[in-house]
Amino acid sequence: GENVEQHPSTLSVQEGDSAVIKCTYSDSASNYFPWYKQELGKGPQLIIDIRSNVGEKKDQRIAVTLNKTAKHFSLHITETQPEDSAVYFCAAKPGGSYIPTFGRGTSLIVHP
Amino acid sequence: NAGVMQNPRHLVRRRGQEARLRCSPMKGHSHVYWYRQLPEEGLKFMVYLQKENIIDESGMPKERFSAEFPKEGPSILRIQQVVRGDSAAYFCASPLSHRLDTGELFFGEGSRLTVL
Repeated sequence: GENVEQHPSTLSVQEGDSAVIKCTYSDSASNYFPWYKQELGKGPQLIIDIRSNVGEKKDQRIAVTLNKTAKHFSLHITETQPEDSAVYFCAAKPGGSYIPTFGRGTSLIVHP
Repeated sequence: NAGVMQNPRHLVRRRGQEARLRCSPMKGHSHVYWYRQLPEEGLKFMVYLQKENIIDESGMPKERFSAEFPKEGPSILRIQQVVRGDSAAYFCASPLSHRLDTGELFFGEGSRLTVL
């Protein structure tokens, strides 16, 4: 089955800096790569996703990039704010499967 | 996270007791996923159900755990004879779209089980 590795496990930045979280996946059939944000005590919320027919997608201060050859994808947050502090999860889903596999999560801390 | 309703939000059980967690998907949807989040770990897939049918239970532990989604009422994740290692947050998710293969999931707020 699919295996997703996520790094780093913890990321600490100053307000206004950029943050980058990286994930790798194992199944070359994966074609859907969502990112979720989980605030303390809450459920994960989908913040952005990318499909294998595109290499980059942007939504205001967040962007995702995908390199299918290397089987890795990344989340980029620019101009970080304290409210960006949360745990972020990447996931990958093979085509033909209904089940996304999640990474272990990155705890992002943005210091004011 | 309006739409996917989970209860209870918090549940405390003693070792050996049973835990029942309930989930109602987004209105108009008939499929649910259950994921487990252990402390300091990611979300682990457990089971994927539609009403009256288990589609994929490849992530369910072989013993003590069961899930159902009856024709009427919520989906239920049942853990019998709980042990301390079952302490975790259990999340239910509903597909965002009626196209089930897109992979877009909408999660509930979770049920946090503590086993004493």
